Amino acid sequence: SYVLTQPPSVSVAPGQTARITCGGNNIGSKSVHWYQQKPGQAPVLVVHDDSDRPSGIPERFSGSNSGNTATLTISRVEAGDEADYYCHVWDSNSHHYVFGIGTKVTVL
Amino acid sequence: EVQLLESGGDLVQPGGSLRLSCAASGFTFNNYAMNWVRQAPGKGLEWVTAISGSDETTYYADSVKGRFTISRDESKSTLSLQMNSLRAEDTAVYYCAREGATTTGLDCWGQGTLVTVSS
Repeated sequence: SYVLTQPPSVSVAPGQTARITCGGNNIGSKSVHWYQQKPGQAPVLVVHDDSDRPSGIPERFSGSNSGNTATLTISRVEAGDEADYYCHVWDSNSHHYVFGIGTKVTVL
Repeated sequence: EVQLLESGGDLVQPGGSLRLSCAASGFTFNNYAMNWVRQAPGKGLEWVTAISGSDETTYYADSVKGRFTISRDESKSTLSLQMNSLRAEDTAVYYCAREGATTTGLDCWGQGTLVTVSS
């Protein structure tokens, strides 16, 4: 089955840029979605189809996808961005959806 | 306002059964594919199952195939998950989630319902 690899944690100072990677075999050929989940809350879609933002999501959140790595970038990080972030794809070979293990973003 | 409201979570013994429901409102339910996603305590998200909006094609994670059944009732705008032969590892918060109209991204989530499998 298709596997997505994320770093367990990323630390970033306020105002700096956080980059969260999601690795997968030829992931550039798939549409990647990203979710933010804060403690005790349901996940929220922050980027879909590699780089599109749902309405209401700040422009500070952006995404890219090429080759074997997709990346969620959070610019000008704020304390409120501290959360777990998950990547997500549809694997057409197995007809399964797959989530990455999640990356905990800590704002220093 | 688009809203999803899960119910049915409970404490159940191993080998038992449980049925979860998700009431949808604020959108045309039959136009959207729907998913169940679960999260074990302190763990990450795990996709469980999905059902299309058009022909009701279903998909299941290997971990639940043959034990869980997803279904939808368009007349009631309700998504259901029938869970049989429950195991301790099925213990999790179960979320109902909607796929977007033009994306496989999950753009709306319920608040979740807790299923605990324990003797």
